[in-house]
Amino acid sequence: AQSVTQLGSHVSVSEGALVLLRCNYSSSVPPYLFWYVQYPNQGLQLLLKYTSAATLVKGINGFEAEFKKSETSFHLTKPSAHMSDAAEYFCAVTLSRVNKFYFGSGTKLNVKP
Amino acid sequence: EAQVTQNPRYLITVTGKKLTVTCSQNMNHEYMSWYRQDPGLGLRQIYYSMNVEVTDKGDVPEGYKVSRKEKRNFPLILESPSPNQTSLYFCASTRTGGYQETQYFGPGTRLLVL
Repeated sequence: AQSVTQLGSHVSVSEGALVLLRCNYSSSVPPYLFWYVQYPNQGLQLLLKYTSAATLVKGINGFEAEFKKSETSFHLTKPSAHMSDAAEYFCAVTLSRVNKFYFGSGTKLNVKP
Repeated sequence: EAQVTQNPRYLITVTGKKLTVTCSQNMNHEYMSWYRQDPGLGLRQIYYSMNVEVTDKGDVPEGYKVSRKEKRNFPLILESPSPNQTSLYFCASTRTGGYQETQYFGPGTRLLVL
């Protein structure tokens, strides 16, 4: 079975600082990986996805993530945090693309002025 | 506008009173899912459907039923709700096809079972 681990349920950064949200997965075969963002009282919005093309994936709002097979990681980064980035972020994995999706427990990002 | 809609958005009910949460998508997607979101647990898949009349259990199917009689609709049924089903529920619809793979989420239904 697949699983997703997000290290750090809460991350706090200053505005303008680097954002790094960690995601590690367990899978016996290369998976498809996703990052979603959830703003307060809203649904989930896709930030970016890895589907076996380029290992460095660029998403919306300046976010990007790098797939590292050797480390089974898919960490999310953004060079400079903005106040509007404050939200909860979820990493997700699936194998067959139309089968089960597994989500991490989420990381709440706080951005300080 | 491409979207996934859920109704109701908020629901308070009592233990044992059957309820249905509707989900509809206008993107002609074959694949749809239901999730529940609980603090510290992320999203857990309840049921999914790969096409009309094709459904399967996710990780937490106990206490839930689904049906897929037509492509656009995927209702979630709680035959006898219990307080441990108090949660935030999301329906999702997936566009499949290699690099186009994208999951679209509804706005959520917040359920309180007393």
